[in-house]
Amino acid sequence: DVKVTQSSRYLVKRTGEKVFLECVQDMDHENMFWYRQDPGLGLRLIYFSYDVKMKEKGDIPEGYSVSREKKERFSLILESASTNQTSMYLCASRGPGLAGPSGANVLTFGAGSRLTVL
Amino acid sequence: GQQLNQSPQSMFIQEGEDVSMNCTSSSIFNTWLWYKQDPGEGPVLLIALYKAGELTSNGRLTAQFGITRKDSFLNISASIPSDVGIYFCAGRSNDYKLSFGAGTTVTVRA
Repeated sequence: DVKVTQSSRYLVKRTGEKVFLECVQDMDHENMFWYRQDPGLGLRLIYFSYDVKMKEKGDIPEGYSVSREKKERFSLILESASTNQTSMYLCASRGPGLAGPSGANVLTFGAGSRLTVL
Repeated sequence: GQQLNQSPQSMFIQEGEDVSMNCTSSSIFNTWLWYKQDPGEGPVLLIALYKAGELTSNGRLTAQFGITRKDSFLNISASIPSDVGIYFCAGRSNDYKLSFGAGTTVTVRA
């Protein structure tokens, strides 16, 4: 089974601090994603990456950046954290290709990183 | 991605009950997925649907891909306490991105 590991489960940061959220997957997946989860809003896509050094903006990229220097690692960066970035952040990965009955390309999520910005 | 309409937003269910939740979209999707998130964990895939009209079961869970390709429902039969959690629907069109519903929070009355 694919394992997606988010190293920080809980973080508390101050407004203006730089924050790094790390995500590592162990199945050589090309595609990796960062979502934020807020009550009543579900999961919203921040950024995704379909290859090393490649990145694409999702639906809510403002205030965030990402880094994908190695295939297995996808980092989310908050350059200057703000209180409205307090949220649960979920990383996910997916293998190649589009939909198919094998299910090989569905998202596998990490356990999440709950960030509080004071 | 677009927002899916998922309902109900929350539900209290009696142990042993059958329950249902659904998702609708204004756009056509080629894939519908249902995830469950346990407290303090990330979402885990329950069921994946790839064809209009498809009905798929996973234990006590059954999901269907609507004929119009704009909706899906998930049924849980004979609810048990471990069914507690947040259930998310997700739909994919022809690009790489999933659109998620806002979630249905399920709480079971013992």
